[in-house]
Amino acid sequence: EADIYQTPRYLVIGTGKKITLECSQTMGHDKMYWYQQDPGMELHLIHYSYGVNSTEKGDLSSESTVSRIRTEHFPLTLESARPSHTSQYLCASSDWTGAQEDEQYFGPGTRLTVT
Amino acid sequence: AQSVTQLDSHVSVSEGTPVLLRCNYSSSYSPSLFWYVQHPNKGLQLLLKYTSAATLVKGINGFEAEFKKSETSFHLTKPSAHMSDAAEYFCVVSMDSNYQLIWGAGTKLIIKP
Repeated sequence: EADIYQTPRYLVIGTGKKITLECSQTMGHDKMYWYQQDPGMELHLIHYSYGVNSTEKGDLSSESTVSRIRTEHFPLTLESARPSHTSQYLCASSDWTGAQEDEQYFGPGTRLTVT
Repeated sequence: AQSVTQLDSHVSVSEGTPVLLRCNYSSSYSPSLFWYVQHPNKGLQLLLKYTSAATLVKGINGFEAEFKKSETSFHLTKPSAHMSDAAEYFCVVSMDSNYQLIWGAGTKLIIKP
């Protein structure tokens, strides 16, 4: 069982609010990721990090920001939520060995609805 | 550029019959390929991965996949479906430039009793 946690699991919030989605892992993994997934669709990478103080943008443009101050913690923040941000957000982590085939471990996801 | 195509959005089989979930990829280099499974209200879990060793890869829960370079395919199979196999299955290829994953759109596996 992967030890990666996301809170909240479900969030309904009004337009214009600032929100932070939490992600923590206890496996000591260096690399962490945020994906966005719409129902019935593929995952799109929005942010990733190689380690502390490292953050990179993924292939899907996103208005969110991330930070990596501690190895185990990788929160995602939306400064001003909009209905277009309604989606499921998945956090993942992996060892960073430089190998092409590092397995990613996923959290249960946060389902965000912006009204 | 790398891409992944899962040929069926839904596959429905009867319990006890074989399962085939199809995946084709395109990649400029020798890819790493994965199958992940997503059960309702649970996190994604790795089923199996191909990393240029044996072309027939065995995974968890009786699933296996065969890498066929000539057909650029990585189909997932299981000899006998179980009700607990009902889930969404994703085929994934690892990008060569920065090792990011490219995800297929998913195939929903439905098991009929």
